[in-house]
Amino acid sequence: DGGITQSPKYLFRKEGQNVTLSCEQNLNHDAMYWYRQDPGQGLRLIYYSQIVNDFQKGDIAEGYSVSREKKESFPLTVTSAQKNPTAFYLCASSGRHQETQYFGPGTRLLVL
Amino acid sequence: KQEVTQIPAALSVPEGENLVLNCSFTDSAIYNLQWFRQDPGKGLTSLLLIQSSQREQTSGRLNASLDKSSGRSTLYIAASQPGDSATYLCAVAPGIIFGKGTRLHILP
Repeated sequence: DGGITQSPKYLFRKEGQNVTLSCEQNLNHDAMYWYRQDPGQGLRLIYYSQIVNDFQKGDIAEGYSVSREKKESFPLTVTSAQKNPTAFYLCASSGRHQETQYFGPGTRLLVL
Repeated sequence: KQEVTQIPAALSVPEGENLVLNCSFTDSAIYNLQWFRQDPGKGLTSLLLIQSSQREQTSGRLNASLDKSSGRSTLYIAASQPGDSATYLCAVAPGIIFGKGTRLHILP
């Protein structure tokens, strides 16, 4: 089955802790994206990557970091600098940048 | 800065009716516009993508139109069904800016 997987489904973070959200795709897509969704809000772009070993900041990159060492994988780290991390995080991919996007099932991050 | 607006925020429609969802954007210099569906607690499903050079796209009971000059797109759903109940979001590129969505409820 081709698609995008995100893990875990739920993640709990303690104060001052860094956590990493996983995103994997087997669609052979070049571009990958991370979004944050807050209740009643649309999605906001955190980071995107158009190709391996390259990524750009989106609208709300502060407090987050990413890597793109493999085409299939685009992990997102929520650092302790992100003061309001509670949200639903969605990963997406597209064949090339700004083409049709395909989304994963999301990870819900909660702060203890 | 591009802004995307979807009005109304929520809509209830009896089953079987045709309906239109609206999406407006402030900067007409878009690359494309995409419509998505999101079920509660789930990721997004792409419905239709319209390139800036196109006027409309169709998929089954869905038809999306684009008028760049007026900064508007509409998503037309024919013969609505209870399974169409979801939140519908539009997004424009470049930048990939999303609206806040319209929460649609089809009444059986």
